[in-house]
Amino acid sequence: DVKVTQSSRYLVKRTGEKVFLECVQDMDHENMFWYRQDPGLGLRLIYFSYDVKMKEKGDIPEGYSVSREKKERFSLILESASTNQTSMYLCASSFGPRAHEQYFGPGTRLTVT
Amino acid sequence: AQSVAQPEDQVNVAEGNPLTVKCTYSVSGNPYLFWYVQYPNRGLQFLLKYITGDNLVKGSYGFEAEFNKSQTSFHLKKPSALVSDSALYFCAVRDESEGYQKVTFGTGTKLQVIP
Repeated sequence: DVKVTQSSRYLVKRTGEKVFLECVQDMDHENMFWYRQDPGLGLRLIYFSYDVKMKEKGDIPEGYSVSREKKERFSLILESASTNQTSMYLCASSFGPRAHEQYFGPGTRLTVT
Repeated sequence: AQSVAQPEDQVNVAEGNPLTVKCTYSVSGNPYLFWYVQYPNRGLQFLLKYITGDNLVKGSYGFEAEFNKSQTSFHLKKPSALVSDSALYFCAVRDESEGYQKVTFGTGTKLQVIP
């Protein structure tokens, strides 16, 4: 089974802190994704990566950056956390260039106070 | 641009009755369509997908979905609902003409199966 793990289930940070969310997948997937999930808004794509060191902006990249130095690891960085970044963050991975399904991690619930 | 709409925030159905969760989409090219389910306090799980071929797609847990090109819809169905089907369901679309693996998700429909 594909396993996608995220570094924390719950995280509480203060406004202005730098926040790192880590995601690791164990199935050698090319593609990795970061979403945020908010009630009534569904899943919104922040960034995705289709190869090591490659990244593409999603629909809401403002205030976020990403890093993919190794194929299995995709990090989301909040340079200066703000209260409107309080949300559930979901990482996902998928195989290959075609329309393969995504495998999701359990999510990190981030609260910024 | 690609988009997907789930017109119902919540669907209530009695246990044993058939269920339908609606989804419509908009793409420029051909669509790749997906359904995912999120059980309480758990991550999203893949249910089924339509790429090409038969318009009726069968997936996990007895779910199926029907692709209707003329109505640009991809409704999720199950002949007989179980209480354990209560969860949040997301429809997703990827436009074949888009360059990368970007998938757009709907806002989700909460399914409540009443015993």
